Amino acid sequence: DAGVIQSPRHEVTEMGQEVTLRCKLISGHNSLFWYRQTMMRGLELLIYFNNNVPIDDSGMPEDRFSAKMPNASFSTLKIQPSEPRDSAVYFCASSLSYSGNTIYFGEGSWLTVV
Amino acid sequence: SQQGEEDPQALSIQEGENATMNCSYKTSINNLQWYRQNSGRGLVHLILIRSNEREKHSGRLRVTLDTSKKSSSLLITASRAADTASYFCATGGYNNNDMRFGAGTRLTVKP
Repeated sequence: DAGVIQSPRHEVTEMGQEVTLRCKLISGHNSLFWYRQTMMRGLELLIYFNNNVPIDDSGMPEDRFSAKMPNASFSTLKIQPSEPRDSAVYFCASSLSYSGNTIYFGEGSWLTVV
Repeated sequence: SQQGEEDPQALSIQEGENATMNCSYKTSINNLQWYRQNSGRGLVHLILIRSNEREKHSGRLRVTLDTSKKSSSLLITASRAADTASYFCATGGYNNNDMRFGAGTRLTVKP
């Protein structure tokens, strides 16, 4: 299995631009997590989905952030408009949804907003 | 929501020594998991311990869980320079959908 695949791995964009981060889940997994990691705030859970349905988006910073699962194996995290404080590493992770299962992380998307 | 908090924030030891990291949490859990993150990479699962277990081993890793104290520890024996990484705990409820991580312990193993 290829694991969780994220793209792009690195992105530098100007403030105000739209950013779209993409994630492909491991085949057969039905839970999807988006995390953000910064030095200041550590690893924050932004949103998670179960069977394509958003379960908890309380970690999404503000309305500029949105996440979707157009199908069972793919998700996007969009930031519009982007701001310098959005600079972080964004991780996508997937698992089987019942308790006690390992969460598998992608390698992250490194976002810099200048 | 569940969230683990690791302690210490940073730990520096010599190769061959043992490293112990601790995790505390606040609510009842179904399981607790430890993950490792090498610099610039995603987190990798190390070991899971369920709420009805007290100790678990995997290679040079030993995890304990004390549900009465709401705490866990991760012991790495005979550490190697390659163990240098950040270590995180995450607690799980009765579905897996609320896995939240603490700030991690940054372990440095000096050769």
